[in-house]
Amino acid sequence: DVKVTQSSRYLVKRTGEKVFLECVQDMDHENMFWYRQDPGLGLRLIYFSYDVKMKEKGDIPEGYSVSREKKERFSLILESASTNQTSMYLCASSLDLAGLDSSSYEQYFGPGTRLTVT
Amino acid sequence: GQQVMQIPQYQHVQEGEDFTTYCNSSTTLSNIQWYKQRPGGHPVFLIQLVKSGEVKKQKRLTFQFGEAKKNSSLHITATQTTDVGTYFCAGHRGSTLGRLYFGRGTQLTVWP
Repeated sequence: DVKVTQSSRYLVKRTGEKVFLECVQDMDHENMFWYRQDPGLGLRLIYFSYDVKMKEKGDIPEGYSVSREKKERFSLILESASTNQTSMYLCASSLDLAGLDSSSYEQYFGPGTRLTVT
Repeated sequence: GQQVMQIPQYQHVQEGEDFTTYCNSSTTLSNIQWYKQRPGGHPVFLIQLVKSGEVKKQKRLTFQFGEAKKNSSLHITATQTTDVGTYFCAGHRGSTLGRLYFGRGTQLTVWP
């Protein structure tokens, strides 16, 4: 059974702290994604990675960075947490597009980390 | 800006009524996917459509992909309380390294 796990279900941090959110997938997927979800705004892409050590900015990368040193692990880093980063953070993974038919690109989501910055 | 628009944002129906959510993209999509997120849960993949004009059914759910591959709809016949949740559409564009462009979702509430 496919699995995406996230390091914490709930997290409370103080303003200015450096925060690490970890995501691990066991499906050998090339692509990994970080989203934040806020009421009424849907899923907004922060960063994604299509290979080890590769990263691409999504729609809202400001205030965040990412790290992908191993294929199965994708970390989201809040360099200096602020209250407006209080949100639900969702990690996802998917197979790569190249060489596959178009029926294999679904994203598998982790359970999410609800981060509160006070 | 918002590249995939989804309406309505909220829908409240009585059990047994039908429900439809619509998705429109500003650009042609290579495919469209639909996800369901139950309250307190995470998005779960429902289905993917690839071909222009494609229609797929899953029991009471009917999914359509428009002829121009810019719009899609999800229709639920005779809703049940188990249909409660937020439904997201999402599409791939040809050269975007696997990222999906998500609509903001339609939150469905079903009254018993």
